[in-house]
Amino acid sequence: QVQLQESGPGLVKPSQTLSLTCTVSGDSISSGSYYWNWIRQPAGKGLEWIGRIYTSGSTNYNPSLRSRVTISVDTSKNQFSLKLSSVTAADTAVYYCARGVFGSGKGDYWGQGTLVTVSS
Amino acid sequence: DIQMTQSPSSLSASVGDRVTITCRASQSISSYLNWYQQKPGKAPILLIFGASSLQSGVPSRFSGSGSGTDFTLTISSLQPEDFATYYCQRSDNPPLTFGGGTKVEIK
Repeated sequence: QVQLQESGPGLVKPSQTLSLTCTVSGDSISSGSYYWNWIRQPAGKGLEWIGRIYTSGSTNYNPSLRSRVTISVDTSKNQFSLKLSSVTAADTAVYYCARGVFGSGKGDYWGQGTLVTVSS
Repeated sequence: DIQMTQSPSSLSASVGDRVTITCRASQSISSYLNWYQQKPGKAPILLIFGASSLQSGVPSRFSGSGSGTDFTLTISSLQPEDFATYYCQRSDNPPLTFGGGTKVEIK
C-alpha cells in the first residue's frame, strides 16, 4: 500500500522560506509511471495546486506561485520537497503531497496533510 | 489559464436523493477531469478519473460523465457517509486547477 507523509515546521515567520518534505513508502518514487504533486488548502477554502515534479527532475508550477516555488526530488531517500519563499499570512494552509498517475493524471494517493502557519 | 467552475457551491439533500454536481472548464480539456471527495480534516479521496472512470474501491452509486467543457458527478442514492465537499480537477496540462468545491449537506 502506497503511503505519503508530509513533514516540516508547522510555524514559519513572515518573509522566510517554508520547507516541507513528502516521504513515499510502499513504492519507489523512481517509477516512471508517476509524478509527485504539492497542493494546499487554506482553512475553510478550496484546494490549490502548487506544482509537480517528475523523477527526471522536470517540474511544472502554478503561475500564481511560480516566482516563489521550488520542488525537488531525492530518489535515494524516496522523498520530494517543497520550498516556498517570502511567505506571508496568505500562505497559511494545510499542505498536501499527492501522487499523480502519468497519462490519466489522476491523484490516487494523498498524504494526510500538514498545517503550516505563517506568523511572527 | 483554464478556469474550473463548479455549481452549485452548496446543496442540501436527503438520504436516498439523487445528487448532481456540475463542473465547467473555460476551455476544452477533453476527458481529463477528476472528481474528489473531501471530509472535514481529511485529505481528498479520488472518486472518478478520466471524467467517467470509477476509481477502484469507490461505490458504484458514484458516476461521472461529460467531455470537452461540461462535466457532471452524480450520486445515484445519497448515503449518510456521502455528506462532504466535492471537487473537480483538470488533469490535462498544468496548472492542474481545482474547481471551487460543492458542499453537500444534510437537509
